[in-house]
Amino acid sequence: GAVVSQHPSWVICKSGTSVKIECRSLDFQATTMFWYRQFPKQSLMLMATSNEGSKATYEQGVEKDKFLINHASLTLSTLTVTSAHPEDSSFYICSARGGRVTDTQYFGPGTRLTVL
Amino acid sequence: QKEVEQNSGPLSVPEGAIASLNCTYSDRGSQSFFWYRQYSGKSPELIMFIYSNGDKEDGRFTAQLNKASQYVSLLIRDSQPSDSATYLCAVISGFNKFYFGSGTKLNVKP
Repeated sequence: GAVVSQHPSWVICKSGTSVKIECRSLDFQATTMFWYRQFPKQSLMLMATSNEGSKATYEQGVEKDKFLINHASLTLSTLTVTSAHPEDSSFYICSARGGRVTDTQYFGPGTRLTVL
Repeated sequence: QKEVEQNSGPLSVPEGAIASLNCTYSDRGSQSFFWYRQYSGKSPELIMFIYSNGDKEDGRFTAQLNKASQYVSLLIRDSQPSDSATYLCAVISGFNKFYFGSGTKLNVKP
């Protein structure tokens, strides 16, 4: 149990376009979902925390108008990277907190974004 | 001071040895502790959790918790090259907030 899916697994887009990434908890209802970004050989960086039906809480330095988060239900959160630029190229990982066994974060497989 | 501290490594051990990964945390009210493994290019996966002082064993993995010293460790017995990864320690603080360490890179040499 405690499976989190993420779609797409990879995406290549042109500079200036927007990209939407979906995160779903498949077999449990998530109390909270998180979005992370990770650059090569670096640590996970928390971007934002979201709860269903409320506005996301963004970490310092993360532009909320650029990284739009919608948490539509207890099993679905989306991250939209608006007007993407090459420096937004990264590995984006979502996680969902919940699960039947233990209340921890379960990670999706990640989305590799390349902006040309 | 960071909420969760880990040595970044790399920690190198020969195949078959015991790998010992350590983590300290700052919030004495923390109640839940987790170890994640992250292979290069992949997302983290949960491998152990521990709530009570003492040891918890699962196969080749043993998590150890010492709340008085605010210290969590992960022992990997009979280390295999496939254990080579970055290991992340995570803590739920007394305020119910998640904190991750920056991870320790483990290299198991054949």
